[in-house]
Amino acid sequence: DVKVTQSSRYLVKRTGEKVFLECVQDMDHENMFWYRQDPGLGLRLIYFSYDVKMKEKGDIPEGYSVSREKKERFSLILESASTNQTSMYLCATIDTPSDTQYFGPGTRLTVL
Amino acid sequence: DQQVKQNSPSLSVQEGRISILNCDYTNSMFDYFLWYKKYPAEGPTFLISISSIKDKNEDGRFTVFLNKSAKHLSLHIVPSQPGDSAVYFCAATLSGNTGKLIFGQGTTLQVKP
Repeated sequence: DVKVTQSSRYLVKRTGEKVFLECVQDMDHENMFWYRQDPGLGLRLIYFSYDVKMKEKGDIPEGYSVSREKKERFSLILESASTNQTSMYLCATIDTPSDTQYFGPGTRLTVL
Repeated sequence: DQQVKQNSPSLSVQEGRISILNCDYTNSMFDYFLWYKKYPAEGPTFLISISSIKDKNEDGRFTVFLNKSAKHLSLHIVPSQPGDSAVYFCAATLSGNTGKLIFGQGTTLQVKP
């Protein structure tokens, strides 16, 4: 079974704080993704990475950055959190042969 | 520009009846489609997928139909059970293209006992 873990299930931060969301996968997959989920908008891709130290912008990268120093770990960084970044953040990895993405449990981030 | 659309935000069905969730897409290059199910406070879980070379894929109570000419896919759940109550997302991709998925907005299914 593919296991994707995220460092926190719930997080509350203040406007202007720097926020780190960590994601770890145990299947040696190369591609990893960060999404945010908002009601009525579905899942929107923030950033993805297809190899260590490689990253590509998704559809809504503004206000975010990422880090992939090791293959199993993909971090999402909010440089200066804002209230409009209150959301559910989901990390995923992909089993390339089947093109199936596997998701972590999500982090519910609230920015006050 | 929403490339994958789920036009029904919610659906309510009686236990034992059929649930039909619909999804439309605009990009004719998409060649692989997936359905995910999401419970509150959990990550989405993969449900079923279909390649564009097929028009139907079945897995137990779940069947996905693909109509390429109409750029439309649907998920049928028969019979529906209360445990199926969740948000369902359809997603589309170009296979072999980094795995980047384009998701619809989601449909909340409620199955009433």
